[in-house]
Amino acid sequence: QKEVEQDPGPLSVPEGAIVSLNCTYSNSAFQYFMWYRQYSRKGPELLMYTYSSGNKEDGRFTAQVDKSSKYISLFIRDSQPSDSATYLCAMSAQNAGNMLTFGGGTRLMVKP
Amino acid sequence: GAVVSQHPSRVICKSGTSVKIECRSLDFQATTMFWYRQFPKQSLMLMATSNEGSKATYEQGVEKDKFLINHASLTLSTLTVTSAHPEDSSFYICSAREGTGVSPLHFGNGTRLTVT
Repeated sequence: QKEVEQDPGPLSVPEGAIVSLNCTYSNSAFQYFMWYRQYSRKGPELLMYTYSSGNKEDGRFTAQVDKSSKYISLFIRDSQPSDSATYLCAMSAQNAGNMLTFGGGTRLMVKP
Repeated sequence: GAVVSQHPSRVICKSGTSVKIECRSLDFQATTMFWYRQFPKQSLMLMATSNEGSKATYEQGVEKDKFLINHASLTLSTLTVTSAHPEDSSFYICSAREGTGVSPLHFGNGTRLTVT
């Protein structure tokens, strides 16, 4: 079993839809949670960064962390074709130094 | 936001030659940089942690003599793929952390290496 599980998709939605992307994890030591967006043949771009449980909102993006369920989510409101990319969740534990553990990524396609 | 620049973005080389990839933090100092490898439709796999002024730390299964890492300054780390073979063809991505402790990584745009 992988430490971080993420549905690879592809997830196809119409423009304007609300998108929900999720990751589950097994390591209860994870405290820092990140979402990255990766366009084809580009490096990952940091979207959201949260610490411990709770919600964080930034524009059309909302990140949720439920540590009790070991479950994190990224919601995208009013999705746009430009949101089409692969979304990677990543997480780290305070005692893991600078190590990040990534999910496998979910490919999202937003159709106009 | 923090910018990480990676060069070259694409390189094609012949089997047996060596290739150097540069990773620079443009507007911040990075005592630690990370090198990842990504195969098509797969996630990032950490290869090594590059520490300024000291030896890199390699992940299990990564050959340190094949993937030479040099972190000579607070803004530059290099990865040299020595005696490249076709199986080394991949997407290599570097990342750097701004500040110390556990804070978000910022990634370069990657280098697509093709070994013929």
